[in-house]
Amino acid sequence: AQTVTQSQPEMSVQEAETVTLSCTYDTSESNYYLFWYKQPPSRQMILVIRQEAYKQQNATENRFSVNFQKAAKSFSLKISDSQLGDTAMYFCAFMKQGLVFGKGTKLTVNP
Amino acid sequence: EAQVTQNPRYLITVTGKKLTVTCSQNMNHEYMSWYRQDPGLGLRQIYYSMNVEVTDKGDVPEGYKVSRKEKRNFPLILESPSPNQTSLYFCASSKLAPNVNEQFFGPGTRLTVL
Repeated sequence: AQTVTQSQPEMSVQEAETVTLSCTYDTSESNYYLFWYKQPPSRQMILVIRQEAYKQQNATENRFSVNFQKAAKSFSLKISDSQLGDTAMYFCAFMKQGLVFGKGTKLTVNP
Repeated sequence: EAQVTQNPRYLITVTGKKLTVTCSQNMNHEYMSWYRQDPGLGLRQIYYSMNVEVTDKGDVPEGYKVSRKEKRNFPLILESPSPNQTSLYFCASSKLAPNVNEQFFGPGTRLTVL
């Protein structure tokens, strides 16, 4: 069974600094998709970034980028120039027939 | 506006009283899914549907039913709710190849079963 592990329940960072959120997963499949979702206090689920496993190039979306290590089954999220609006829960997810989520990392950006 | 809507947004009920949470999307998506979110557990899939009249169990289907009679609607039915079904519920939809496409989430339904 696919599992997703986020080892950091909580993290904090100063505004304008860089932070990296960790995620590891377990699967026997060779082609798959990985996602990072953001959940602000409003509870809305917002897609931050996605990565297709067959692509070696790491995905980037503005201040958000991933470090995808397929052999290590690692999929970390880097947030550059952190902003107060980045304060949220962040979920790593693996796509099976639906999304399999990690337990989340609560990120707080401090002014 | 492309969106997934859920109703009600908040519901407090009592054990054993049947309830339905509705989900509707206006994007002509084939794939729809229900998740529940519990503190410390992340989101877990309850049921999903690949198209009209096609539904299948997710990871935590016990105590839930779904139906997909129309493409746009995917209601979640709790026939005899119990306190352990107190949770935050999300409906999501996407184009039929869910592997490659973003799932759009509804705003969530906060359910409390007393």
